[in-house]
Amino acid sequence: ETGVTQTPRHLVMGMTNKKSLKCEQHLGHNAMYWYKQSAKKPLELMFVYSLEERVENNSVPSRFSPECPNSSHLFLHLHTLQPEDSALYLCASSQAGRGGNTEAFFGQGTRLTVV
Amino acid sequence: RKEVEQDPGPFNVPEGATVAFNCTYSNSASQSFFWYRQDCRKEPKLLMSVYSSGNEDGRFTAQLNRASQYISLLIRDSKLSDSATYLCVVNRGGSARQLTFGSGTQLTVLP
Repeated sequence: ETGVTQTPRHLVMGMTNKKSLKCEQHLGHNAMYWYKQSAKKPLELMFVYSLEERVENNSVPSRFSPECPNSSHLFLHLHTLQPEDSALYLCASSQAGRGGNTEAFFGQGTRLTVV
Repeated sequence: RKEVEQDPGPFNVPEGATVAFNCTYSNSASQSFFWYRQDCRKEPKLLMSVYSSGNEDGRFTAQLNRASQYISLLIRDSKLSDSATYLCVVNRGGSARQLTFGSGTQLTVLP
């Protein structure tokens, strides 16, 4: 069983909808990530939160809005998405420290389809 | 130049073969190294960490060459179940943003 849980597992939404993806980690980690993986493409890092502070935003369009209310929870708020945003969205967590990060543990992902 | 580069493959090998994957990284300050495995339409999962002295886990051997900024993964006696995409991951330490994934190498083990 994964220590990182994502909901929902599947989501179909229209371009005018607003939805949110949720991620929860039970590993006591202090860093959380959102990744996007489009079909047959590598992982793309979207956002990183370390100690609940956003430390990286990789030029992600504003229609994606992350929120990290505490070190165990991470949200990705979606609004007015485009069909090309259809992808697998993966949440991960790790423990960040002076010596680097531990390995990242991933949730099972949310498969998003924008129609 | 990408921060982490891998040969995308695909590698198609017969069962029982030995196969090796390579990965290069550009930042000499990188401190932690990992190999992940990703099955089709699933999340990546840690296969093994890579230590400076090299390490082995059953049929899998990982090597690190800091001077050449090069990481390798060797799979011996390939099984059908080894078919997956193998991701090289590098971490520079310090803040969390330094965890960087390669684009992955696709392996198919054929019966």
